[in-house]
Parts: sequence; structure tokens; C-alpha cells
Amino acid sequence: AQTVTQSQPEMSVQEAETVTLSCTYDTSESDYYLFWYKQPPSRQMILVIRQEAYKQQNATENRFSVNFQKAAKSFSLKISDSQLGDAAMYFCAYPLNYGGSQGNLIFGKGTKLSVKP
Amino acid sequence: NAGVTQTPKFQVLKTGQSMTLQCAQDMNHEYMSWYRQDPGMGLRLIHYSVGAGITDQGEVPNGYNVSRSTTEDFPLRLLSAAPSQTSVYFCASGGTGAHYGYTFGSGTRLTVV
Repeated sequence: AQTVTQSQPEMSVQEAETVTLSCTYDTSESDYYLFWYKQPPSRQMILVIRQEAYKQQNATENRFSVNFQKAAKSFSLKISDSQLGDAAMYFCAYPLNYGGSQGNLIFGKGTKLSVKP
Repeated sequence: NAGVTQTPKFQVLKTGQSMTLQCAQDMNHEYMSWYRQDPGMGLRLIHYSVGAGITDQGEVPNGYNVSRSTTEDFPLRLLSAAPSQTSVYFCASGGTGAHYGYTFGSGTRLTVV
């Protein structure tokens, strides 16, 4: 069965510092996408960043970047220069394989990030 | 506005009652899913669909039913509500370019008493 594991239920970071959230997954696929979503207290799900597995280069979106280790099946999210607005639940997600299509996502249990001023 | 529309936003049910959570998207997306979110459990997949007429069970399907008669709509039915189904429910959709990520509805907070 495909699984996504986030081993850190809660993390804390000082404002302006850097924090890394971990995610591992299990798959037999060779080509896929990985995602990080943010859920602030408003409950809205916001796509933060995505990674294409066949690309060697790690994805970057402004202060957010990933460390993608395909062989280790690891997909961590690094947040640089943390801001108070980064406080939220963060979910790692991986596409469910249904007959070769990968359009539905499965999620990890999430990491609650607190940002201290 | 284009997106995923979930109704209702809040609902209180009595044990044993049935109801349908509505989900509609206007982006012509093939893929649609229902999740429930409980504290410490993340988003767990209930049922999903890869196109009109095609649905399958996710991780926690018991007590729920779905159908996908049109591309736009993907309702979730609670057959006989139980307190264990108290949760926040999210509907989401993704198109052929689903690798760009999902679009989520705003969620339904359901309480079963």
C-alpha cells in the first residue's frame, strides 16, 4: 500500500530562522509528483510547492524549498526566513496510483508548525 | 468563481440520520476525492473518482457512499450517521494536469450527536 509518513507531529521555529519538515513515502512507481500543502487556522488548503520525481533539481518557491532524495524516498520541506504567517499545519502528499493514472492524492498526518516572535 | 463548492459548511446530525454532503466543481476536472480530517490523523481518503462513472474506496470508506454521474458533481452520502463520523470533510478535484496539485473546497464541519 502507498503510504506517506510525517514523523514530526509538531515543530517550532524562531522568526527569521530556518526549519525543515520531514516526509517519507513508499512507492514502486518511478515517475510521480510530490506536494507540500499548508493549512492555516482558516482551514483552507494551500499548495506550497511540488516536486517532479524525474527531475534531479530540487524545487524552490521563494522561501520554500525541498530536499528530494528519490532513492531514500524522502521529501523534506525547508522554510527559510520564517515568518509569523508561516504558522500552520503542513501536509506532505503523494498521488494514488489507479490503473496508471495519478490524479488523486494521499496525505501524511501533518506537522504543526509554530513560529515564535 | 471557478473552484470547488462544498455544501453545507456546518451540519449537526443525530445518530442514525442520513445526509448528503454536496461537492461541485466547474473546472472540468477528472479527479475528485473526499477526505475527512481528524486531529492527529491528517487527511484520510474516504472515496475517490477518476472520472464520471468510476469511483473507488480510499482508506476509510465504511459508512459512506459516493457516486459520480457527472463530471461536475461528487456527493458523499452518510448512510446512518454515527458519532465516530464527527469530523471536518474536504472535497478536492484535479484535472489532467493533476500534477499541478489539487483544488480544495472550504470544508464541512459535521457533528453527530
